[in-house]
Amino acid sequence: EVQLVESGGGLVQPGRSLRLSCTASGFTFGDYAMSWVRQAPGKGLEWVGFIRSKAYGGTTEYAASVKGRFTISRDDSKSIAYLQMNSLKTEDTAVYYCTRGLLWFGEFHFDYWGQGTLVTVSS
Amino acid sequence: QSVLTQPPSVSGAPGQRVTISCTGSSSNIGAGYDVHWYQQLPGTAPKLLIYGNSNRPSGVPDRFSGSKSGTSASLAITGLQAEDEADYYCQSYDSSLSGTWVFGGGTKLTVL
Repeated sequence: EVQLVESGGGLVQPGRSLRLSCTASGFTFGDYAMSWVRQAPGKGLEWVGFIRSKAYGGTTEYAASVKGRFTISRDDSKSIAYLQMNSLKTEDTAVYYCTRGLLWFGEFHFDYWGQGTLVTVSS
Repeated sequence: QSVLTQPPSVSGAPGQRVTISCTGSSSNIGAGYDVHWYQQLPGTAPKLLIYGNSNRPSGVPDRFSGSKSGTSASLAITGLQAEDEADYYCQSYDSSLSGTWVFGGGTKLTVL
């Protein structure tokens, strides 16, 4: 059974940093892309970032709203994806979901989601 | 303002059919990129409902169907049930600027 478990959320002051982890199980982690999607309180889904598998270069993509502040990385030996968040702003307050990216006929969609971890940026 | 536009809400009585639209542009749906749909039940994480415009993952009832035409896509739900009450999101890829994955603003389905 595919499982994605996020951790590392919490309350942080504006301008500080936080690192989220996504621990995967039930599939060969290194074969898949991983992505982060967030949802501000009472709002819709917003794609945050993406990391390809090593087979596809392990390259990353970011939403304009977080580019330069957030970094996604992966440790295939531990089946963990990370989201390093720096220079946090109050508008980064959201539930952050880890998702698996499934490549299907050349395009990715997000076939499994974690339960989410809440990040609150406030002084 | 989401790149993909969905109606904020739709409603229907049990047993009825409802559709949810997702309107994009020439840089996403109109460029030929697939549309995917996600269901988010209250208080839970989103779940993949439709992928590749019209394909259902295993376990998703055939009451749910998807279609795409031009710069728009639709999700249809037939035989509405109380447990279908949820938020629904469409998602695609947008090739403008650096290229990103984009979501619609979401549609709240109320079963009357």
